[in-house]
Amino acid sequence: NAGVTQTPKFQVLKTGQSMTLQCAQDMNHNSMYWYRQDPGMGLRLIYYSASEGTTDKGEVPNGYNVSRLNKREFSLRLESAAPSQTSVYFCASSGTFGTSYGYTFGSGTRLTVV
Amino acid sequence: GQQLNQSPQSMFIQEGEDVSMNCTSSSIFNTWLWYKQDPGEGPVLLIALYKAGELTSNGRLTAQFGITRKDSFLNISASIPSDVGIYFCAGQLNFNKFYFGSGTKLNVKP
Repeated sequence: NAGVTQTPKFQVLKTGQSMTLQCAQDMNHNSMYWYRQDPGMGLRLIYYSASEGTTDKGEVPNGYNVSRLNKREFSLRLESAAPSQTSVYFCASSGTFGTSYGYTFGSGTRLTVV
Repeated sequence: GQQLNQSPQSMFIQEGEDVSMNCTSSSIFNTWLWYKQDPGEGPVLLIALYKAGELTSNGRLTAQFGITRKDSFLNISASIPSDVGIYFCAGQLNFNKFYFGSGTKLNVKP
């Protein structure tokens, strides 16, 4: 089925470990986004990529890096995980940067940092 | 960052009842979106609103873009158990980003 695929679905890390969250979309969308979701705080934008070859910071970029590998793939890296990064991470894509048609979201990665 | 105030935070209702929830902001938005998130899944777009005063329906769901452009409302009529989930509003401030409310968790008792 067409959509946004995130891997892994669950991950437990120790403080200081690093990991990369993967995201791929097969809808030929230009723009991709990474959000984190914390209880009572809704979705907050970490980084986004308006088009292949560009990336920009969102609301909460500290402690993260991203790579837009190609048009399909947008990865999020935690270089040195901290307990404050325990969250559910969602990748999303949209056809046009700033489109009013909204985003298509993946099913999320649940990350726990102990 | 921008703040969207979404209320209520949670609701417990009986099957068949109507539901209302809203989002307000101190900023003027160009677009309002409403999403539903099922447990363990990502949000799914329900309704998109593009101009002030617009009223749009999607089945039993109706949403309105407030006249002031600072608020939006979502109504669900005759609720059913599968309406359970978290409902998020999202506002587009400028052309490049959406800001999300903190969600309304809906529980429906059969």
